[in-house]
Amino acid sequence: AQSVTQLDSQVPVFEEAPVELRCNYSSSVSVYLFWYVQYPNQGLQLLLKYLSGSTLVESINGFEAEFNKSQTSFHLRKPSVHISDTAEYFCAVSAAHRYGGSQGNLIFGKGTKLSVKP
Amino acid sequence: DGGITQSPKYLFRKEGQNVTLSCEQNLNHDAMYWYRQDPGQGLRLIYYSQIVNDFQKGDIAEGYSVSREKKESFPLTVTSAQKNPTAFYLCASSMGQGGEKLFFGSGTQLSVL
Repeated sequence: AQSVTQLDSQVPVFEEAPVELRCNYSSSVSVYLFWYVQYPNQGLQLLLKYLSGSTLVESINGFEAEFNKSQTSFHLRKPSVHISDTAEYFCAVSAAHRYGGSQGNLIFGKGTKLSVKP
Repeated sequence: DGGITQSPKYLFRKEGQNVTLSCEQNLNHDAMYWYRQDPGQGLRLIYYSQIVNDFQKGDIAEGYSVSREKKESFPLTVTSAQKNPTAFYLCASSMGQGGEKLFFGSGTQLSVL
């Protein structure tokens, strides 16, 4: 079974400051990793994902995350945040199938609320 | 536009009443999911369905029921047996059965009167 720990429930930062949202996972098998974002009163949207290949993955709005197998982490970073980045961010994991594709369901962390202040 | 539609956006339940939350998708996805979201607890899986006429219990299925009679529809019934139904309910779908990328609806907020 897999599990996800998001170490910070809330992260307040000032606009244009860098931010890191931490995510650690545990699994006895290979995994796929995801970050989803939820804006107020909305569903979740996929921000970025790691399936294989380069351990550094990027989103179109400047976020990046690095898969670190030895530390079982998938921290999300952005060098300069905007007010519009204020949202709740969820890290998620699923088991990787040996023949490709994921198996089972996504397991979500409890979320980190990013609050960007002017 | 393709997507997932949840209705209603807000729903109120009286004591002892069953209520049904609607979820429809036109993405031609095989798999559909229901999650419950409570503040500070993230998302917890209630039920999921990987194919029509089949569904499995998630982590917190007690007090809920579902059906999957059509590929595009996956309604969730919150029964009177669910003693703490107040939450934000999210429906999702994915192309395959592994849930690599989930597409979410905009959610239903259920409250008890």
